[in-house]
Amino acid sequence: NAGVMQNPRHLVRRRGQEARLRCSPMKGHSHVYWYRQLPEEGLKFMVYLQKENIIDESGMPKERFSAEFPKEGPSILRIQQVVRGDSAAYFCASSLSFADTQYFGPGTRLTVL
Amino acid sequence: GQQVMQIPQYQHVQEGEDFTTYCNSSTTLSNIQWYKQRPGGHPVFLIQLVKSGEVKKQKRLTFQFGEAKKNSSLHITATQTTDVGTYFCAGITGNQFYFGTGTSLTVIP
Repeated sequence: NAGVMQNPRHLVRRRGQEARLRCSPMKGHSHVYWYRQLPEEGLKFMVYLQKENIIDESGMPKERFSAEFPKEGPSILRIQQVVRGDSAAYFCASSLSFADTQYFGPGTRLTVL
Repeated sequence: GQQVMQIPQYQHVQEGEDFTTYCNSSTTLSNIQWYKQRPGGHPVFLIQLVKSGEVKKQKRLTFQFGEAKKNSSLHITATQTTDVGTYFCAGITGNQFYFGTGTSLTVIP
């Protein structure tokens, strides 16, 4: 049973470009969470999705950031017009149901030049 | 804003010494989870506590959930170099997860 997959593992973008981060949850999991982690800092919740629905996006900046979890395919975290401050590790986690164990992917490390 | 605080932020111990990290919430939690993240790695689930006053053990690790379900602790007895990493608590209330700021543990051989 494959774990949570994230790609790419490393992503380099220039200021103003778009970044697309993908997350494939564990088989059977319909709950997906995205977190951001700045160097030497903790995990900051961004958004919680449950198949095709955004349940809670209170941790996500209102501008430039969006997330989706379509019926088919991976969950996507999209950052438009990236700025240097977006450089961070972005982790995706999935669970069988809310408040169940979250299984984390290896993360995508975004560097904005 | 941040609802779950963790202390200390950093802890250096000699191998063999004990270690404790504390997690405090401003609101009552329905349950709490603990995760460990090794340097350069991703968080890995350790345990979940649900009941008021619950205590669970995993070998040298002891987890407690406060009577008021507002705080929790993780205690490691006789630390080893393999315990190095950052320990996060995650409080669950309503529809939200709140991760603590984490405690980074360094074990000096």
